[in-house]
Formats: sequence, structure tokens, C-alpha cells
Amino acid sequence: QSALTQPRSVSGSAGQSVTISCTGTSIDVGGYDYVSWYQHHPGKAPKLIIYDVTNRPSGVPDRFSGSKSGKTASLTISGLQAEDEADYYCCSYAGTYLYLVFGGGTRLTV
Amino acid sequence: QVQLQESGPGLVKPSETLSLTCTVSDGSISGYYWSWIRQSPGKGLEWIGFVYYTGSTNYNPSLKSRVTISVDTSKNQFSLRLNSVTAADTAVYHCARRGSTSSPDGAYFYYGMDVWGQGTTVTVSS
Repeated sequence: QSALTQPRSVSGSAGQSVTISCTGTSIDVGGYDYVSWYQHHPGKAPKLIIYDVTNRPSGVPDRFSGSKSGKTASLTISGLQAEDEADYYCCSYAGTYLYLVFGGGTRLTV
Repeated sequence: QVQLQESGPGLVKPSETLSLTCTVSDGSISGYYWSWIRQSPGKGLEWIGFVYYTGSTNYNPSLKSRVTISVDTSKNQFSLRLNSVTAADTAVYHCARRGSTSSPDGAYFYYGMDVWGQGTTVTVSS
């Protein structure tokens, strides 16, 4: 069982918006603003799309945005495109013992 | 753009040691943190550990007793060793770089991996 809880799947139509949640505890998501999100097309290398809750690396479209409230972080993808269909994982810093924990992943269907 | 490539045996026998190497190309291993992450069949991602280019490490506590991550700056490589493997260690193993940005105080290393290798499948079976 993963440390962070994500819905197993979400879906949306092209052009719509979807939000993926990532729920943790006070020692990970709730304790630090160090949540990152990854897009993973099976068989390929995962891609970082959000770090430190809200920041996008260079080259990531602004259709991808991140936020956090309490122990739950969220990834919102607006203007869905077919190529957004992938698995999405959240990850959080969890202190000097656990260090880094991932969510179980969410399959996005467009 | 820096690239990462994992290499190592695809099949390891139970109770033996899994050994993988990640080669960093088109960039230097120095000045960065490097990581191993795995994905077991049908499961999510699991962080294994970090190594700084100086050799200092952080490990997932659930694997700490069996894991060693090391760095060889002369070869621009870092490596993973996982002892006493079982079928539960069957996974796709990715190497990755911890991301950083520039700040007035120097490099800021955030808790995310900005460059990943494609991954290599390791099966534990007799």
C-alpha cells in the first residue's frame, strides 16, 4: 500500500479539465510544500511536471497546475489533450526518516 | 540535455545481489543528487535512495538494510546494489537526477526528479 492516496483512475473529454488528488498525512503532504507530480507513459521515462506543489519545470505547458490544501495536494490538467492520457504519480518529502514517498498512481483516460 | 542509461543483469536469483549502474551522459555527475526508483509489476513508484556526488546517501528505511548506492565521478556513473533479493524485488528500476534551480544563494535542490532513465527490468527468479 502506497504512502500517499490517489484515485486509481480519472477520465475526461478532450478540452475539459480534470483534477487528481493526492492525500497524505501531517508528516508528508501536510508537513511540507515539497510535493511533486510525474506523468508516466508506460514503457517510457517518467516526466516531472510539477515540483514544490506549484512550480512547473521549463517546457511543461501551463495547462498543468498544482495546488495543496492541508494534507491533500492536487494536480489539475486543463484543456485535456489525447497525449495527456497517462499514469500520474504524486510524491512528497516526508522528513529525514521516510524522506520521499509516492502515491499509488492515477490512470488518466482522455 | 543530460541523459541517463541504466545497465545490469535482467535476471537475478533469489538471495543473490542485484547490481545496476546508471551512466550519465551529456552532462556531469558532479554537483547533483542522483536517485534510484523502482516500479514493481502492477504497482506504483517506490523511491529507493539518493546519492550526492560526494558519496553521501539517503535510503528508503524499508530497504536500508539491503541497499547500497555509490557514485564513481571518474566514470560519470552511479550504482545500486540490493542484497538478499526475493521475488518482491522484481521491478523496473529507474535512475534519476534530483532537480535543481539557481538561486542567489547557489543551487536549490528541490525534492523532485527532473531527468529519468528509461528503466531496466530486473526479474528475481531461480
